[in-house]
Amino acid sequence: EVQLVESGGGLVQPGRSLRLSCAASGFTFDDYAMHWVRQAPGKGLEWVSGISWNSGSIGYADSVKGRFTISRDNAKNSLYLQMNSLRAEDMALYYCAKGVRWELSSELDYWGQGTLVTVSS
Amino acid sequence: QSALTQPASVSGSPGQSITISCTGTSSDVGGYNYVSWYQQHPGKAPKLMIYEVSNRPSGVSNRFSGSKSGNTASLTISGLQAEDEADYYCSSYTSSSTWVFGGGTKLTVL
Repeated sequence: EVQLVESGGGLVQPGRSLRLSCAASGFTFDDYAMHWVRQAPGKGLEWVSGISWNSGSIGYADSVKGRFTISRDNAKNSLYLQMNSLRAEDMALYYCAKGVRWELSSELDYWGQGTLVTVSS
Repeated sequence: QSALTQPASVSGSPGQSITISCTGTSSDVGGYNYVSWYQQHPGKAPKLMIYEVSNRPSGVSNRFSGSKSGNTASLTISGLQAEDEADYYCSSYTSSSTWVFGGGTKLTVL
C-alpha cells in the first residue's frame, strides 16, 4: 500500500524558514517523480514544486521560485521542501504527492494527508 | 502561470450526466496530453480520477471520462450518484515544465 506521510509543518513568523519532509513507503520511491501541492484554507489546489526520479528535472511555481527548494533522498525514500522567506500567503496545507511516472510531466496518483503551515507573527 | 478556468459550480440530479470544462492555452492544455482531473471531498486529500486526458486509474469508476478539444479539456460524469458530490480540479503540464491547476468546480448532486 502506498503511503505518504508529511511532517514539519507548524507556526512560523513571516520571513523565517521551515523544512517539510515526506516519508514514502509501499512503492519503489526512486522510480517516480514527486510533487508538493498546497491548499490555503477554503481555497483551491496550487502546485508548488516537482522533482523527477533522479532530481534531474525540477520545477517551481512562480509564487515560490527563489524561496523554496525541493529535494529528495532516494536512499531514505524521502522528499523535502525547504521554505525560506515565508510570507502570509504561503500559509496552507501542504500535500506530498507521487507522480505516475519517473518524469516531471507526470500526474499525481497518490497524495498524503498534508501538513499545515501557518505563517503569522 | 495563470490558473486554468473552470466553472465555479455545476449540479445535476442522480442518474444524470454532467460535464465540467477546463480551459487553458496552447502552452498547457492545448499543447500537451498531460491533463488530469482530481476529486476532493471535504477534509480529504485529492484523488486522481483521470490522467493523460482520458485514462482512468485502476479502481476509478467507468462513469468518469475525460476528453480534450483544442485548449479545453472536459470531465464527464455519467449516472450521477450522491457520492460524486465533491470539488473537482483539472490540472495540466505546461511549457514552463510546471503544473497548473484549475480553480476548482463544486459539484452538487440535487
